[in-house]
Amino acid sequence: DTAVSQTPKYLVTQMGNDKSIKCEQNLGHDTMYWYKQDSKKFLKIMFSYNNKELIINETVPNRFSPKSPDKAHLNLHINSLELGDSAVYFCASSQARDLPTGELFFGEGSRLTVL
Amino acid sequence: AQSVTQPDIHITVSEGASLELRCNYSYGATPYLFWYVQSPGQGLQLLLKYFSGDTLVQGIKGFEAEFKRSQSSFNLRKPSVHWSDAAEYFCAVAGWGGGKLIFGQGTELSVKP
Repeated sequence: DTAVSQTPKYLVTQMGNDKSIKCEQNLGHDTMYWYKQDSKKFLKIMFSYNNKELIINETVPNRFSPKSPDKAHLNLHINSLELGDSAVYFCASSQARDLPTGELFFGEGSRLTVL
Repeated sequence: AQSVTQPDIHITVSEGASLELRCNYSYGATPYLFWYVQSPGQGLQLLLKYFSGDTLVQGIKGFEAEFKRSQSSFNLRKPSVHWSDAAEYFCAVAGWGGGKLIFGQGTELSVKP
């Protein structure tokens, strides 16, 4: 069983469209994250949820809206897609809200290409 | 502000040779440091982490890293590289209560036969 799974793995869409990426973890963790990896492989946190509560929101445009229906799921919805949104989006989870006490478990990533 | 610098964008080593990947951090208090590896098309996997105590930490796949406070460094080492080690390596720092990792730019490792 995959610990952190994301769907879809690849997504190609036109500018202006709305798309969603789904993430599920079966590790029983309380905290989940979305990270964005740009074309230069730079990784930056976007959001973090702890037991369905938003705890980190890193100056991400309002077009990005995370939703956590339960602590095992964290979805990312993106409105009005722009060329600059093209990236690989990684979902991750951790047992502890404070990272130093635990490690992040990453999904395999969802590569979004906006044309 | 917290930051991580990996000075080497790309390193190529011969199989069987030793490896050292550099990482420098900027953080006001005691840092919590991590090394992750990303194989092509995959997510990131934790290699090792430093929280406190012994400054030389052992990780998976034969990797180790040494924390040097005086140099603000946390370099990753492996005595003998295998072809399967070819990947992207990320150093990261977290602060207590911060709840997030700050990643370096990554170092791409190529291994030649």
